[in-house]
Amino acid sequence: QKEVEQDPGPLSVPEGAIVSLNCTYSNSAFQYFMWYRQYSRKGPELLMYTYSSGNKEDGRFTAQVDKSSKYISLFIRDSQPSDSATYLCASHRAAGNKLTFGGGTRVLVKP
Amino acid sequence: GAGVSQSPSNKVTEKGKDVELRCDPISGHTALYWYRQSLGQGLEFLIYFQGNSAPDKSGLPSDRFSAERTGGSVSTLTIQRTQQEDSAVYLCASRKRGGGNTDTQYFGPGTRLTVL
Repeated sequence: QKEVEQDPGPLSVPEGAIVSLNCTYSNSAFQYFMWYRQYSRKGPELLMYTYSSGNKEDGRFTAQVDKSSKYISLFIRDSQPSDSATYLCASHRAAGNKLTFGGGTRVLVKP
Repeated sequence: GAGVSQSPSNKVTEKGKDVELRCDPISGHTALYWYRQSLGQGLEFLIYFQGNSAPDKSGLPSDRFSAERTGGSVSTLTIQRTQQEDSAVYLCASRKRGGGNTDTQYFGPGTRLTVL
């Protein structure tokens, strides 16, 4: 079993809908949680960064971490076709540690 | 400002040949990471350099893989006697030492390696 699990999708939604993405993790030592967006043939780009449990909002993006259930979520409001990409969740323990990634969820936002 | 750059962007090699992949981190970033992304395994950590400390090599899959970082900046990942299972995208990331959002790892575009 991988330390970070993520549904590979694809997840297809109409433009303007809310995209809901989730990951689960098994390592209780994880303290830092991130969401990256990756377009085809590009490197991952950081979207959201959170420490420990709680919510964080940035524009159309909201990240949630529930350490009690080891559950990480990302919500994208008012989705756009340009949001079509693969979304990767990632975690690490202490600051500066190597990232452990989920397998990524492919999202398609249809106009 | 300039981001992480990697070269070459694509590399095709024959089985058994050695390859070198290069990473130029963001200026002023003290930490540098190599990851590998393949269809079956997703994105996996390979090696981590932080300043003058000994590198964390715990993710290297075999002794055919090695990396060095010269002068605390540019890094080279070397794969000797390449095998077909080495085919993947090799990603480099750099990080500015510090807490909070400065702990973020910024990724380069990757080198797509194909071993025939």
